[in-house]
Amino acid sequence: DVKVTQSSRYLVKRTGEKVFLECVQDMDHENMFWYRQDPGLGLRLIYFSYDVKMKEKGDIPEGYSVSREKKERFSLILESASTNQTSMYLCASSLGAGRRGEQFFGPGTRLTVL
Amino acid sequence: QQQVKQSPQSLIVQKGGISIINCAYENTAFDYFPWYQQFPGKGPALLIAIRPDVSEKKEGRFTISFNKSAKQFSLHIMDSQPGDSATYFCAARRRDYKLSFGAGTTVTVRA
Repeated sequence: DVKVTQSSRYLVKRTGEKVFLECVQDMDHENMFWYRQDPGLGLRLIYFSYDVKMKEKGDIPEGYSVSREKKERFSLILESASTNQTSMYLCASSLGAGRRGEQFFGPGTRLTVL
Repeated sequence: QQQVKQSPQSLIVQKGGISIINCAYENTAFDYFPWYQQFPGKGPALLIAIRPDVSEKKEGRFTISFNKSAKQFSLHIMDSQPGDSATYFCAARRRDYKLSFGAGTTVTVRA
């Protein structure tokens, strides 16, 4: 079974804190994704990585950065958390370009910024 | 703005009934249309998917209907069961392999 794990299920942080969300996949997938999920907006892509140390901005990258030092691990960083970043964050992985590309999702991290 | 528009936002259906969720898109470059199912406390999981050269795909009680000329596609859940209660997302894959998701539909099946 493909497994995508996320470091925390729930996280509470204060405005201005630096926040790290970690994601690990065990299927040797090339692609990894970070989304945020908000009611009425669905899933919106924050950042995408197609290889180690490679990254691309998604649709809503402002206020976020990412790091991919190893193939199995993809981190989302909030440099200075703000209340409008309170959301559910989902990590996903998939096989590389040219494949059908089913995305496998982790269980999500619900982040609250006070 | 949302590249894939999904409706309704929520629906309630009796056990044994049919649930229908509709999606529409504008970008003709989309080349793959998956549906994801999400249970509370879980991440979304692929349910069924269709390519734009096919008008219908059926897997068990789940059917996708695809109308390329109208740029619309829909998910039909036949003989709905309480275990089908979940949030459903339509999506469309762009040429760069990223997915654009609809806003989601919460389906509640009453026993």
